[in-house]
Amino acid sequence: NAGVTQTPKFRILKIGQSMTLQCTQDMNHNYMYWYRQDPGMGLKLIYYSVGAGITDKGEVPNGYNVSRSTTEDFPLRLELAAPSQTSVYFCASSFNEKLFFGSGTQLSVL
Amino acid sequence: DQQVKQNSPSLSVQEGRISILNCDYTNSMFDYFLWYKKYPAEGPTFLISISSIKDKNEDGRFTVFLNKSAKHLSLHIVPSQPGDSAVYFCAARGNSGGSNYKLTFGKGTLLTVNP
Repeated sequence: NAGVTQTPKFRILKIGQSMTLQCTQDMNHNYMYWYRQDPGMGLKLIYYSVGAGITDKGEVPNGYNVSRSTTEDFPLRLELAAPSQTSVYFCASSFNEKLFFGSGTQLSVL
Repeated sequence: DQQVKQNSPSLSVQEGRISILNCDYTNSMFDYFLWYKKYPAEGPTFLISISSIKDKNEDGRFTVFLNKSAKHLSLHIVPSQPGDSAVYFCAARGNSGGSNYKLTFGKGTLLTVNP
């Protein structure tokens, strides 16, 4: 059972480039989330989804977009990368308050 | 405005002794609290949780205590083992309708258990 799978694990972007962080889960969870973790900081919620076709903003949504066309997939899109988006990104899924996290994507914007 | 606070960035204990990690919160609407453990280069994993209607929950070597009047919770690990060395995040869930499925996390405490 794979759980929550994130790709890529590492990525370096130039300022202004765009990319999509992929996230897929095989637990049939309705709820999915994107968090970012900056050094020395806790996890901050970027976007979340309560089911296919339904998404909503979290604490820090600026500069990001999401979509949820299937229960399994919840990609995170960065349109114009900025140095402030250098962070570790975690995708998670849940059927209640116990979130299951992926292993993270370390993103650097230079 | 930090609603979940872990004021100790790090804690070092000897193997076999007790580790106590602390967490304070400010939002009285939080009704469920969780502890997550994170190893380097891995995602956080769920460790233990407690509902606001309880004051203690135990799971093996791990016990979480909740003091609602003080808005304080703590995680006790007894006995501590070197494999417990990790970052521990405290998290809280609000109970106000649409926030039911979102967690607010603290900054984490790095626990080091020395052999």
